[in-house]
Amino acid sequence: DAKTTQPPSMDCAEGRAANLPCNHSTISGNEYVYWYRQIHSQGPQYIIHGLKNNETNEMASLIITEDRKSSTLILPHATLRDTAVYYCIVRGGSARQLTFGSGTQLTVLP
Amino acid sequence: GAVVSQHPSRVICKSGTSVKIECRSLDFQATTMFWYRQFPKQSLMLMATSNEGSKATYEQGVEKDKFLINHASLTLSTLTVTSAHPEDSSFYICSAREGTPSGNTIYFGEGSWLTVV
Repeated sequence: DAKTTQPPSMDCAEGRAANLPCNHSTISGNEYVYWYRQIHSQGPQYIIHGLKNNETNEMASLIITEDRKSSTLILPHATLRDTAVYYCIVRGGSARQLTFGSGTQLTVLP
Repeated sequence: GAVVSQHPSRVICKSGTSVKIECRSLDFQATTMFWYRQFPKQSLMLMATSNEGSKATYEQGVEKDKFLINHASLTLSTLTVTSAHPEDSSFYICSAREGTPSGNTIYFGEGSWLTVV
């Protein structure tokens, strides 16, 4: 599975949109981009995933560049409860495991 | 989304004893489950992959005789830490993959804190 690069930390003001970037320049055609988050002392929570089209659900939006070499997770109105480590993971094939990097620590400030 | 439940959420055991952690998929059948370990301030590290009805596949450096994994049904996998030592104290997390052709998402349990004293 392709490697991802994320900034180690970001801050965001409460109520504002949080935009979390992820680089995956070696992604191949059949690999999906997944986003999970982990709130302290809990198991990771699935947020969203996509292949090449932009995706939106009740939690977030995922914007994937046309060349698929990077993506951005958008939390439209961040709340204090969104403070967590966010992991961007590239995964190929439905049977494969998720390999976690170090993620981005997002801190939402009041 | 789908629900994966782990039990117990916290356990303390004496050094040298064994402890079992259960992982259940509550509303879907999971043909594949994964076990991770996470030390403080570190990311999740995959320990093993278990497929229902077959032997688990362990990652390099993980002792299969120490961390026994059983995946006897489509909704239950167990991790048994045998002869636990204080260095086994960690946060253990399971995850499960939906077994449908379109099931391409992996869901995680709440995690289990193990403290070996």
